[in-house]
Amino acid sequence: DGGITQSPKYLFRKEGQNVTLSCEQNLNHDAMYWYRQDPGQGLRLIYYSQIVNDFQKGDIAEGYSVSREKKESFPLTVTSAQKNPTAFYLCASGRLAGVGTDTQYFGPGTRLTVL
Amino acid sequence: EDQVTQSPEALRLQEGESSSLNCSYTVSGLRGLFWYRQDPGKGPEFLFTLYSAGEEKEKERLKATLTKKESFLHITAPKPEDSATYLCAVLSNQAGTALIFGKGTTLSVSS
Repeated sequence: DGGITQSPKYLFRKEGQNVTLSCEQNLNHDAMYWYRQDPGQGLRLIYYSQIVNDFQKGDIAEGYSVSREKKESFPLTVTSAQKNPTAFYLCASGRLAGVGTDTQYFGPGTRLTVL
Repeated sequence: EDQVTQSPEALRLQEGESSSLNCSYTVSGLRGLFWYRQDPGKGPEFLFTLYSAGEEKEKERLKATLTKKESFLHITAPKPEDSATYLCAVLSNQAGTALIFGKGTTLSVSS
C-alpha cells in the first residue's frame, strides 16, 4: 500500500527540548514538504526538499531544522528556538515541479503540544 | 503578493440541499489549483487539480470548476458524510513548489 506515514501521532514537548517528527513515503516521490497548521489559519510551509541532501526554507523556517539523507524520509526537528511550536504538523510529498502533475499528497499529521 | 481567499468560512446544509464553496485567488501566473478535503485531526485528502480556466472535474457529488479569478466546489445533494473542511490551494509560477492555502470552508451537513 503506497502512502505517507508520520509518527508519532501525538507528541508532547517540554520547554527547552528538541523533538523530531518522522515522515516516510513509499510513493517514489522526489519532493517532500513540511507544513504547519494552526486553528483559523491556512497551512504554512516550513521546509521543502526536491532531492536528497538538498532542502530549502519555506515561509516559517525559524526554529526548525530538517534533513534529507534518503529519498523516502524527511524528518523535521522542532528546536527550543521555536517559541510557539504547539500546532498540527503535516508532511507531504509529490513529483518534481514540472514533471507530470504538481499534486502534493499529505500524511496523517502529528499534533505537537508544548507542556 | 499571492493570495487565496475561501468563502464562506462555515456552511450548514440540510441533506440534499446543493450549494457551492468559493475560492478566489490572486497569483502571478497560475500553475495549478488544488482542492482537498480534511476531516478533524487528519491530513488533507486530495480531491482535484485544475490547470486552466474553463476546466471542470467531477467526483461523486463534487464538481470543481475554474475561472481566471476563482474556483468553485459544487456539492450536489450532499450527505452527512460530506461534512468536513474543504481546503483550496494554488501553485504559482513565482512560488516554486510551495502551495499557497486558503483558510478553508467548514461544511456541516445534517440529516
